Amino acid sequence: DTAVSQTPKYLVTQMGNDKSIKCEQNLGHDTMYWYKQDSKKFLKIMFSYNNKELIINETVPNRFSPKSPDKAHLNLHINSLELGDSAVYFCASSQRDRVYFGEGSWLTVV
Amino acid sequence: AQTVTQSQPEMSVQEAETVTLSCTYDTSESDYYLFWYKQPPSRQMILVIRQEAYKQQNATENRFSVNFQKAAKSFSLKISDSQLGDAAMYFCAYLPFGNTGKLIFGQGTTLQVKP
Repeated sequence: DTAVSQTPKYLVTQMGNDKSIKCEQNLGHDTMYWYKQDSKKFLKIMFSYNNKELIINETVPNRFSPKSPDKAHLNLHINSLELGDSAVYFCASSQRDRVYFGEGSWLTVV
Repeated sequence: AQTVTQSQPEMSVQEAETVTLSCTYDTSESDYYLFWYKQPPSRQMILVIRQEAYKQQNATENRFSVNFQKAAKSFSLKISDSQLGDAAMYFCAYLPFGNTGKLIFGQGTTLQVKP
């Protein structure tokens, strides 16, 4: 039973499209995140939500909009996709110092 | 702002031998956590080992151990008896104390294991 699951795992889409990535955790954690791993494999936090409230927004373009319908779900919607958005997006959840990652969603913009 | 630096983009080791991956970090905090994550080609993030900054004792997990030097802000990972399955990218990460989950990652080190 996957602790942090995200869908889709792979996504290929054209520039200018809008797409969403969904994430769910069954760990009962209050805090969830989106991390981005770019083409150079550098990992950086994008957003953090605690109990459905946004607590970290790391200077991400407005085209990226996270939504948390409840504390077990955190979705990422991306408008007007650009080539530079191609990356692996990781969802994660945490309780204190224990951070659990999903398997990643590979987004390719063509 | 906290930073994490891994100065070795690539390392290689012979199977069954020992290798050490380096990591340094910068912070003004006294309480924090440090981690090593393994990322195979599948891109799954696998926690290898964690260290609490307030504990002087170095963490160990089977063949994996760390050398934590708090004053020097150094956190190296030693892999003993290297196995082919250890080949992956390894990330050092810093986590501030408190439930922020804002992991700050180093640039990563690609480890090659030669048979």
